[in-house]
Amino acid sequence: DSGVTQTPKHLITATGQRVTLRCSPRSGDLSVYWYQQSLDQGLQFLIQYYNGEERAKGNILERFSAQQFPDLHSELNLSSLELGDSALYFCASSKGLAGGLSSYNEQFFGPGTRLTVL
Amino acid sequence: AQSVTQLGSHVSVSEGALVLLRCNYSSSVPPYLFWYVQYPNQGLQLLLKYTTGATLVKGINGFEAEFKKSETSFHLTKPSAHMSDAAEYFCAVGTSGTYKYIFGTGTRLKVLA
Repeated sequence: DSGVTQTPKHLITATGQRVTLRCSPRSGDLSVYWYQQSLDQGLQFLIQYYNGEERAKGNILERFSAQQFPDLHSELNLSSLELGDSALYFCASSKGLAGGLSSYNEQFFGPGTRLTVL
Repeated sequence: AQSVTQLGSHVSVSEGALVLLRCNYSSSVPPYLFWYVQYPNQGLQLLLKYTTGATLVKGINGFEAEFKKSETSFHLTKPSAHMSDAAEYFCAVGTSGTYKYIFGTGTRLKVLA
């Protein structure tokens, strides 16, 4: 158990709908990262927040948005869903910012939310 | 820009045999390199990481990796495969000053009895 929790575990919805995925980081971690894992695209970085502020963006679609709240949990909002959005969405957390020297920057991954768009 | 290439999307080894999973990276600055493992229906777990210092890095579950700058490689090895090693393995690169890791496409390891 990494200490990162994600809800829900599974989500099935229809095209055109909107869903919200939730992530609670490990206690003491300030950074939250969102990744999308699909069969054709692999593991893609979407977005990162550090202490409530957006710090990095990856291949995140405009239909997707995220935020990190004062209690440090994060939500990923996916709207106007398409069939191709079906994937496993992972949240990860770390104490600091990725890429630094210290052990602060190890990312711990949650179990993921499996989204199926029908 | 950084990138990671994992050679071989599927690797099969016999139980007790050497495990070798290949990872090559591209980075214009000194990289930080990571190997993560993903067991079925689970999140990713860090196996080992290279930041600076010793180029041979030991991780959990008997895995190790060697950073070879001249070859831009960070291959993962384990002397003797166990059935429990069957999983998907991801190599990732991060660099100081950036806030994200770039992951390879993954290598699925199958261990044959």
